[in-house]
Amino acid sequence: DAKTTQPNSMESNEEEPVHLPCNHSTISGTDYIHWYRQLPSQGPEYVIHGLTSNVNNRMASLAIAEDRKSSTLILHRATLRDAAVYYCILNNAGNMLTFGGGTRLMVKP
Amino acid sequence: EAQVTQNPRYLITVTGKKLTVTCSQNMNHEYMSWYRQDPGLGLRQIYYSMNVEVTDKGDVPEGYKVSRKEKRNFPLILESPSPNQTSLYFCASSFSFPGPRGPQHFGDGTRLSIL
Repeated sequence: DAKTTQPNSMESNEEEPVHLPCNHSTISGTDYIHWYRQLPSQGPEYVIHGLTSNVNNRMASLAIAEDRKSSTLILHRATLRDAAVYYCILNNAGNMLTFGGGTRLMVKP
Repeated sequence: EAQVTQNPRYLITVTGKKLTVTCSQNMNHEYMSWYRQDPGLGLRQIYYSMNVEVTDKGDVPEGYKVSRKEKRNFPLILESPSPNQTSLYFCASSFSFPGPRGPQHFGDGTRLSIL
């Protein structure tokens, strides 16, 4: 299975944009890029997903590199409630999500 | 409200005593799945189901059983629990068509402790 690489942790100031990187150099042409986040004591929560084009929704934006070997999740204005572990995942045909270690985002007031 | 409901949320039990963790979704999703989450190992898939009466093994199926008799329910069964099954368990569901690529919705988790 194609794997993803993310930094273990990142820090941000409240109200500032956050760019969370993800490398997936072995991605296949049919793998979708999904982002989930997990707040303390909760189940993972879907954030956004895409295939080739950049995507925007009410939670975040997803920027996908032209060669698809990397992507960036963008939170436009971080709030304290955005402090969570963010997972970048490649979705295979069986719909199995393989969660790696994720990036722990800390937001400072 | 669209949701995935797991019960119980917490359970402490003893080795060998059969238990069932229920999972129910109200979104008419075809696909349902069970994961376990352990420190340092992330989430790992146990079993999944593409539709009623269709189930398959994930990465770590040993010691678990599932059934999918109805679309909304996907119980996880531990016939003879052992301490290495102490973990945090999550159920998830999603649409399978037009392709199993859509977002998965997760329950709030069940914390199992097997003594």
